[in-house]
Amino acid sequence: SQELEQSPQSLIVQEGKNLTINCTSSKTLYGLYWYKQKYGEGLIFLMMLQKGGEEKSHEKITAKLDEKKQQSSLHITASQPSHAGIYLCGADGTGTASKLTFGTGTRLQVTL
Amino acid sequence: GAGVSQSPSNKVTEKGKDVELRCDPISGHTALYWYRQSLGQGLEFLIYFQGNSAPDKSGLPSDRFSAERTGGSVSTLTIQRTQQEDSAVYLCASSPGGPYSPLHFGNGTRLTVT
Repeated sequence: SQELEQSPQSLIVQEGKNLTINCTSSKTLYGLYWYKQKYGEGLIFLMMLQKGGEEKSHEKITAKLDEKKQQSSLHITASQPSHAGIYLCGADGTGTASKLTFGTGTRLQVTL
Repeated sequence: GAGVSQSPSNKVTEKGKDVELRCDPISGHTALYWYRQSLGQGLEFLIYFQGNSAPDKSGLPSDRFSAERTGGSVSTLTIQRTQQEDSAVYLCASSPGGPYSPLHFGNGTRLTVT
C-alpha cells in the first residue's frame, strides 16, 4: 500500500518568515493533494498536482511535485497567523481518486 | 453553495451501544468517502461510494462497521456495539467523481465512547 511521510511533524515560525513542508511517497503518485485543517474543522482543499515538475501557487502558498512524482513540497512565503493549522498531503496511487492515502500532517504555529 | 454537512457534530455514547453518523454530500457529487481521524493519527480510509457501483469497503476495520448510501446522496455510517477504540473524528467527503477530483470534506463527527 502507498505510504506518505510528512516532515517536519510540527513547526513554529515567526510571522513573516518563510517555511517549507515536505511530503514523500513510497510509490509514484498519480496525483498529490494538499489540504489544511484547523482544530475542530474539516479539511480545506489547497491544491492538487498531477504532472512531474508541476508547480502551483495560491496567494502566498506554492506547491511543487518533483519530476519523479514521489515528493512534493509546500512553501509558504511571509507566513501569517492565518496560516496556522495542520497541513496534510494526500496521495492518489491509482489515478481514480477512489482512495486517497494521507500523511500524518504537519502542525504549523505562527508566532507574532 | 452548501458544503458537505455531517451530523451530529459531537456524539458521546456508552460502550456497547450502536451509533449512526450522517453525511449530506454536496449536491451533484457522485463520489462519497468516509475517513476516520484518531488522536495523533492520520486519516484512515474507511469506505468509498461512486455512483451506483459497489462500494469499496476495504478500509472498514471490523464487521461492526457498515455504511450505506441511499439514492446516491445521503450516507449513514453505522457502528454497532461501540468500543472505546472507536473514539475518533469521523470525516465524510464528497467529490464530483473521476480522476483528479478534489475531495470536499465536512467538519466531521467527534465520537466519544465512554
